[in-house]
Amino acid sequence: KNEVEQSPQNLTAQEGEFITINCSYSVGISALHWLQQHPGGGIVSLFMLSSGKKKHGRLIATINIQEKHSSLHITASHPRDSAVYICAVNSGGSNYKLTFGKGTLLTVNP
Amino acid sequence: DTEVTQTPKHLVMGMTNKKSLKCEQHMGHRAMYWYKQKAKKPPELMFVYSYEKLSINESVPSRFSPECPNSSLLNLHLHALQPEDSALYLCASSQAGLKKIPYTFGSGTRLTVV
Repeated sequence: KNEVEQSPQNLTAQEGEFITINCSYSVGISALHWLQQHPGGGIVSLFMLSSGKKKHGRLIATINIQEKHSSLHITASHPRDSAVYICAVNSGGSNYKLTFGKGTLLTVNP
Repeated sequence: DTEVTQTPKHLVMGMTNKKSLKCEQHMGHRAMYWYKQKAKKPPELMFVYSYEKLSINESVPSRFSPECPNSSLLNLHLHALQPEDSALYLCASSQAGLKKIPYTFGSGTRLTVV
């Protein structure tokens, strides 16, 4: 079974700061997902990665397959970025099962 | 249309009630999912439908009964629930049969069992 570890669990930043959230996993994967969930809300899929780097606006996601590690970066953070960020991976025999990390609660203060 | 729509957004039901949650997507996705999420926990997979057939049941109690009447709709029928079943129920969809599949999640139904 794949273990997905995220760090930090909680992160508080000032508006404008550069944010990094880390994710590591124990077993080879077919894809890694970064998800965003605002308090009490649904989940938004930010990125799906299987190699390299992806960028969307102020968000950047990278993955190192050899090291089994991924990072999510937020540049010029804003209070509206405050949310839980969840790392999840597809691995094993089933294409349909995601293994989730416990999430990182990000609070960006104005 | 790139959304998964869930209704209702909030539901309060008694332990003897029967209710249904509805999920709809028009992206042509042939895999649809039900997740249960308790506060401050990651989502837990309940059911997966692939091409309108039940593909995965994660040993969910029979008081939860899924139904996939067509490729766009997914229902979750609820009967004789317990207070501990109170949670956010999330629906998701994706393409079917591929190893690298982005998911689209709905905004969830907040269920309270009284």
